[in-house]
Amino acid sequence: KAGVTQTPRYLIKTRGQQVTLSCSPISGHRSVSWYQQTPGQGLQFLFEYFSETQRNKGNFPGRFSGRQFSNSRSEMNVSTLELGDSALYLCASSLGTDSQNIQYFGAGTRLSVL
Amino acid sequence: AQKVTQAQTEISVVEKEDVTLDCVYETRDTTYYLFWYKQPPSGELVFLIRRNSFDEQNEISGRYSWNFQKSTSSFNFTITASQVVDSAVYFCALSEAGTGRRALTFGSGTRLQVQP
Repeated sequence: KAGVTQTPRYLIKTRGQQVTLSCSPISGHRSVSWYQQTPGQGLQFLFEYFSETQRNKGNFPGRFSGRQFSNSRSEMNVSTLELGDSALYLCASSLGTDSQNIQYFGAGTRLSVL
Repeated sequence: AQKVTQAQTEISVVEKEDVTLDCVYETRDTTYYLFWYKQPPSGELVFLIRRNSFDEQNEISGRYSWNFQKSTSSFNFTITASQVVDSAVYFCALSEAGTGRRALTFGSGTRLQVQP
């Protein structure tokens, strides 16, 4: 069974641009969550999607948005990039939204904002 | 509010030594789940174990063992006879069931270096 797939693995953008990251969950998983990892703030929750609906949102500005498609694939978008958005963005999938469900992570997209 | 503390920033051991990674959590929820993940240099977070708040039994899986103590709000992870392949950053995480806040709250991680 294939794991969580994130594309692209690396991205370089400049301030003010926007970026879209993609995540394909494990087959059969319907919940997708996104996390940001930085050296200063560690791992922080961005949002979670289930059945194409955002179920939970972390404390991030509106520049960060996401969506989920009918096949459970998810994208996140960051508009008007800032230097501080440089981070590893990790996607996790799970069977459902219950707290006991294990979240399985992809290898991440490393975004560098210049 | 929920919080996970991993006080050990970095640990260095020599191969075959035993090592324990500490994790202390805070939550007001009575039903919650604790997790350990491993992050090798490739970046992917690899799931190691899940424990619910009602099950305080210790668990052993090969060279890995976990000690969950609700009385001290700790969920420590021990690697026996460490190997170079164990070198990674290890994260402890908490998920609350009662509050509806399912998102994982992570500790800051412990970097383990196993020297040959």
